[in-house]
Parts: sequence; structure tokens; C-alpha cells
Amino acid sequence: DTGVSQNPRHKITKRGQNVTFRCDPISEHNRLYWYRQTLGQGPEFLTYFQNEAQLEKSRLLSDRFSAERPKGSFSTLEIQRTEQGDSAMYLCASSLGFGRGDTEAFFGQGTRLTVV
Amino acid sequence: AQKITQTQPGMFVQEKEAVTLDCTYDTSDQSYGLFWYKQPSSGEMIFLIYQGSYDEQNATEGRYSLNFQKARKSANLVISASQLGDSAMYFCAMREGLNQGGKLIFGQGTELSVKP
Repeated sequence: DTGVSQNPRHKITKRGQNVTFRCDPISEHNRLYWYRQTLGQGPEFLTYFQNEAQLEKSRLLSDRFSAERPKGSFSTLEIQRTEQGDSAMYLCASSLGFGRGDTEAFFGQGTRLTVV
Repeated sequence: AQKITQTQPGMFVQEKEAVTLDCTYDTSDQSYGLFWYKQPSSGEMIFLIYQGSYDEQNATEGRYSLNFQKARKSANLVISASQLGDSAMYFCAMREGLNQGGKLIFGQGTELSVKP
């Protein structure tokens, strides 16, 4: 296993279109996170999964955003009716949560979305 | 509210010299973790070093060390013997508590440039 994989690496879409991104975490990691990073800023938390359960969603995640993690493996992040403000880098990370602890999170290379 | 502050938007350092990147944090939790990540131009967030709030010794990982001053709520990253490949964005992040899901709160980052 070579790490967290995200596809596509780049996506250009027209405003109003729907887009879907995929994240494949490190295989034994039960926690999966999505973050959004705009230019010049640090990543901002969007949502996270413990296995297949989505346990927390940020208020940044509007109704146009939906994330799934069927079977607790890969995850998808869909944005409906994209807006120019959605242009950002979308980062996926995974970690091994255990008991009351957690390992460090490992990040993928991100999907850069440009809405034109 | 939990917050990470990085006050240095950009830093320059001469190759082979040491550099300190500042990070202060704010939390009401007694148990938390502090992380540093490196983000080269390729976009991937690379984990560098971790410090737990109950760790009495400062963390070290090769050329990276974390100067943890709990009373001052600071967690500065020290890079010794800088290399040209160290040029990148550096982000300080905090993970709160145990059983908090493991999400990270990031600072705005410091862009480090290493001069030959």
C-alpha cells in the first residue's frame, strides 16, 4: 500500500455542473477525513468517517456537498451545482483510530477543482 | 474556540543553517496533540512531527524538533541544517482531546524558502 490516493488530481468544470472526487485511504485505516484548502490558507475540516459511518460534518459542508464511504473503504465527495467559490484543493486523509487514541493522519495529494 | 496561529507568512534561511517556525495555539482541552506538516508545491501534506500535550520531552524526528512550551501554548518547529528541499509551506495543526474524532485544525502556514 503506497498511501492515500485521490482521483482525479485536477478537475475543471463549468459552474452549475456536478463533480465527484474519490479517495482511497490506507487499507487498514478506519478513519477518513475530507478537508478543503483555498489558496494561501491552511486546510479546513469538512467531514469525517469512522468506517462507513459519517460522524461529523462541518458547517462548511453545505447541502450541495455530500460524502459517502460505502463499506468503510474508499470515499466519494460530490459537489452538486458547483459555484466559483467551490474552487479549491480538496484533500483526503486517513488515520488509524483505536480506543481513545489516534495515529497521525496521512494525506493524499489532493484534487484541485477549478470552477469556470 | 480552538485556534492555531502562525504569525510568519514567509521565512528565508540560508542552506545548512537552522530555522524556527512559530506556532501558538488556543484550546480549553487538557488533552490534545500538536502536529507539523510540510506541503511542497505538489500539494501533498507530509507529516513531520507530533507532540502530545502530556509528553514531557520535546519531540524530535531527524532534523525536525518541536519546541513545546505548554504554559505559553506554543509549539515551534525547529529545522536544523536546512536543505534546498525543505523549501515548502509548513502548517502547524492541533487535534483536540481523545475521542474527538481526530480532526485537525490548521494554522495559515509559513512559506519557507531555503537559499543556496
